[in-house]
Amino acid sequence: GAGVSQSPRYKVAKRGQDVALRCDPISGHVSLFWYQQALGQGPEFLTYFQNEAQLDKSGLPSDRFFAERPEGSVSTLKIQRTQQEDSAVYLCASSLSTAAGGDLDDTQYFGPGTRLTVL
Amino acid sequence: AQSVTQPDIHITVSEGASLELRCNYSYGATPYLFWYVQSPGQGLQLLLKYFSGDTLVQGIKGFEAEFKRSQSSFNLRKPSVHWSDAAEYFCAVGADSWGKLQFGAGTQVVVTP
Repeated sequence: GAGVSQSPRYKVAKRGQDVALRCDPISGHVSLFWYQQALGQGPEFLTYFQNEAQLDKSGLPSDRFFAERPEGSVSTLKIQRTQQEDSAVYLCASSLSTAAGGDLDDTQYFGPGTRLTVL
Repeated sequence: AQSVTQPDIHITVSEGASLELRCNYSYGATPYLFWYVQSPGQGLQLLLKYFSGDTLVQGIKGFEAEFKRSQSSFNLRKPSVHWSDAAEYFCAVGADSWGKLQFGAGTQVVVTP
């Protein structure tokens, strides 16, 4: 398929474990975003990549959260020493351009998300 | 600070009836505004967006939205809902020059026969 894919779709972790969530954006998309969606809430921004450069990580809730996109395509969101409050759906989105949304190329395409449950 | 408010957490509508979902925003400049739909187990799908020009925006699946600067609103409408429109709907504003989105809390739409 040509859409954004994420893996795993579901992840159960024991408190204190490290997890890694993967995002495969649409091929050729320059921009990549990570969002966190808690139960019953709207998605909240975590971090933004333009190619391999992480230009905004202001939404990462703590230093236990780390994201990378080393070759400007696949991205990984890593959470160390998971806590129960980390339980959420983690969404990845990609877009072709680097602009704010005024053009069709700016549309963010979302993956299905990874549902993380921390016990 | 920017904010997006969706006053209705949950709406129930009969199939064939009209639907209007409210969205209010607080933003300093002319915002980029979006409506996304999220079906269970699915990713967010863009319904429509406003960035300039005509304040009445047409989207996919028969949806439209109207930008009203004076009311800081961007309400979503559909004249006649189908059972497949049952989903959660999110209003969002473009929060920076790179496209970061700030979402409202969402409105859950239930469609009854």
